[in-house]
Amino acid sequence: QKEVEQNSGPLSVPEGAIASLNCTYSDRGSQSFFWYRQYSGKSPELIMFIYSNGDKEDGRFTAQLNKASQYVSLLIRDSQPSDSATYLCAVITNSGYALNFGKGTSLLVTP
Amino acid sequence: EAGVAQSPRYKIIEKRQSVAFWCNPISGHATLYWYQQILGQGPKLLIQFQNNGVVDDSQLPKDRFSAERLKGVDSTLKIQPAKLEDSAVYLCASSQHVWGDNTYEQYFGPGTRLTVT
Repeated sequence: QKEVEQNSGPLSVPEGAIASLNCTYSDRGSQSFFWYRQYSGKSPELIMFIYSNGDKEDGRFTAQLNKASQYVSLLIRDSQPSDSATYLCAVITNSGYALNFGKGTSLLVTP
Repeated sequence: EAGVAQSPRYKIIEKRQSVAFWCNPISGHATLYWYQQILGQGPKLLIQFQNNGVVDDSQLPKDRFSAERLKGVDSTLKIQPAKLEDSAVYLCASSQHVWGDNTYEQYFGPGTRLTVT
């Protein structure tokens, strides 16, 4: 079973701080990496994707990928209470094009 | 651009009954996925279609679950008969991906919350 691991949290950060969410994966053949945000009772919403080693920035979000360490992270700068949600890491492996999800990390941004 | 549409949004049935879910993907998206999300877990793939062909149904419990995408657009997922452990959110997603390209982003519909009593 190809695993995607995330700390379930909750991760609590104060408003305005940087939230750092981490994800590791077991399949070295993994090629594409995604971060979804899921509010309680809602469906996952795609917020970032990254395909190459390094950093990718989009507004307050930065995704970081290190394929050698099999590690992908999401940084949220200037965290807001509206960022409070579960963040799902998802990976596509060589064996197919469906998403393999972690269990998600719950983020709580406190005012 | 309209997103992925799903219906119904909620369904409550008794065990051993049957239920069907409908999905309409984003216009032009060739690939359609059905995922099951149990409370506290990430979504798990049930079946993947590209146009009207099945790409991956290895995790679909075929003794009770079936799915089709006859005209390569809308899709239905059916459970018959339902078990208590089928209580979950059923999510439909679509992507532009076709074999040979590098477009892998998937977009989810609102989901159908199924409760089996």
